[in-house]
Order: sequence, then C-alpha cells, then structure tokens
Amino acid sequence: GNSVTQMEGPVTLSEEAFLTINCTYTATGYPSLFWYVQYPGEGLQLLLKATKADDKGSNKGFEATYRKETTSFHLEKGSVQVSDSAVYFCALTYAGGTSYGKLTFGQGTILTVHP
Amino acid sequence: DSGVTQTPKHLITATGQRVTLRCSPRSGDLSVYWYQQSLDQGLQFLIQYYNGEERAKGNILERFSAQQFPDLHSELNLSSLELGDSALYFCASSVIAENTEAFFGQGTRLTVV
Repeated sequence: GNSVTQMEGPVTLSEEAFLTINCTYTATGYPSLFWYVQYPGEGLQLLLKATKADDKGSNKGFEATYRKETTSFHLEKGSVQVSDSAVYFCALTYAGGTSYGKLTFGQGTILTVHP
Repeated sequence: DSGVTQTPKHLITATGQRVTLRCSPRSGDLSVYWYQQSLDQGLQFLIQYYNGEERAKGNILERFSAQQFPDLHSELNLSSLELGDSALYFCASSVIAENTEAFFGQGTRLTVV
C-alpha cells in the first residue's frame, strides 16, 4: 500500500537557521505530494504541493522538490523564524482508483524555533 | 479560514455514549473526508463521501459511521465510545479530481472519560 515516512523529530533550531525535514514515500502510480502545517490548536493548512516528477512546490519561503528517482519530497527553508514553530506533515494522494483526494500522511515532525 | 466548518470544537463524554460530529464543506466542494488524529496512530483516514455517496473507507471502526446529506454537509457518528476513541477528528473537503488538494476544518477534540 501507499505510505509516507518522515524524519523523526522533534527538530529544534535557532532563528535564521536552515531547515530540512526529510520525507520519502511508497506509492503505486503517480502520486501528488503535499506538505501540510499544523499550528498549535489549529487544523491542517496546505503549505505547498507538487503534482509530477521534478516539480518544485514553494510557499512562504519553504520549498520541496518531487524526486521520483529517490521517491522523496524533502521540505527546506533557508532561514526559519519563531513563527514557523509547528508540526509539519508530508502527505500523498493516490492518483488512481476511486479515492481521489484521500491523503496518506507521514507521522509528522515537530519543529521548534528559538529566538 | 479554510472555509470548512466543524462543530463542536470540543466534546467531553463518558464511555459507552454516542456522539455526532458535524462538518460543512467549502462552498462548491462535493467530497468530504474524515480523519482521526491521535498521539499513537497519527493522522488516519477514516472515510470519504462524494456527493452523498460513500466513496472510500479507511481505518474506520464498526462503531463509527458517517453520512453526507443532500446539502453536502456530513456527520460522523461515534457510538459505544471507549477511552481510546479520544482524539482530534478532522473533516476535509475538496473538489473531486485527480491531484486535488484538501482543505481542513479546525477539528473536533473528543475526550472520552
């Protein structure tokens, strides 16, 4: 079946540090890949997405590139801020069958950024 | 604001009881998904409805059921509640299509005591 594996957290960084959160996936077909962010006490918000190989999703300074050859979708940001502290989820949709849009999530990575 | 509304935000109930969680999708979205978020299981897909019909089932217990009404809002019914059912329940909606993105509500936090 489909699965998503994220690097284990929590991740603790100082403000302005470089961030990488690793994500790899297993899927049949050609999935779309997503990063969602969950701020404390809130629901999930879509951060960025990529729908085909070599696509780069970007938003709010975050980037991730869909690498089919390594089945990866690592999240990066060049300079994190305290306000980026949240839980980050990598996810995929199985672009086939009848479950359009159903998301398979990784376990989530807690990011804490200190001033 | 994602446009997806979930009620109630918090729910505390006793073991053995039954509760109903409600979700109103974004305007124009035909598909509704329910997810459960717990500390030990992470985010798990429960069930999907599209335009009133069940489309896909995930790790949903037999004690749980859902439906989507003609106005497209959805309800998740949880019965014979156990302590382990305590979790955050999210609803999401999307326009049904390949490679679509889902928009999430703020969730209902269920505490079973």
